[in-house]
Amino acid sequence: AQSVTQLDSQVPVFEEAPVELRCNYSSSVSVYLFWYVQYPNQGLQLLLKYLSGSTLVKGINGFEAEFNKSQTSFHLRKPSVHISDTAEYFCAVIAGGGSQGNLIFGKGTKLSVKP
Amino acid sequence: GAGVSQTPSNKVTEKGKYVELRCDPISGHTALYWYRQSLGQGPEFLIYFQGTGAADDSGLPNDRFFAVRPEGSVSTLKIQRTERGDSAVYLCASSPSGAGTPYEQYFGPGTRLTVT
Repeated sequence: AQSVTQLDSQVPVFEEAPVELRCNYSSSVSVYLFWYVQYPNQGLQLLLKYLSGSTLVKGINGFEAEFNKSQTSFHLRKPSVHISDTAEYFCAVIAGGGSQGNLIFGKGTKLSVKP
Repeated sequence: GAGVSQTPSNKVTEKGKYVELRCDPISGHTALYWYRQSLGQGPEFLIYFQGTGAADDSGLPNDRFFAVRPEGSVSTLKIQRTERGDSAVYLCASSPSGAGTPYEQYFGPGTRLTVT
């Protein structure tokens, strides 16, 4: 069965510092990968997705992620974070590796940006 | 345009009671998903509709949980004989669907269910 592992449950960082949120997935089939963000008391919002093609994917709010098939990773990065980036971030894959179906989420990483 | 809406936003009920949670997807989206998010966890899949039919209900935890989507739009998640362990945020998402490239799932704000 597919699974998603987010290695850090909490990541504290100072404003304007770079950040990397780690995500590893297990799958023997092709995968489509996603990062979602959940701001306090709000719904999930798509940050970026990898479907095919270039392994470096750029998303909203200055975030990017790199798909690494050999390491089965899809780590999320931002070169300089803002206070407003404080939120919980979820990595996800589509179950079964197909183009349709439910998402399998990691447990989330809480990013806390301090002034 | 209007996003996915869910009602109520909060629901407090007593153990053993029946509850219904409603989801209004984005107009024209044929795929609809229900997830449950417990405290400190990522969302977990419950059920997935394509049109009116449940394409995959493998995530429903037991037969106390049931969902319908009679006209292929609004969906209702029904929980019978609620238990304290059912307390969670219930999320609904919708997406366009079709063969090939996966489409983004758009999430609603969720319904926070508390069973006392």
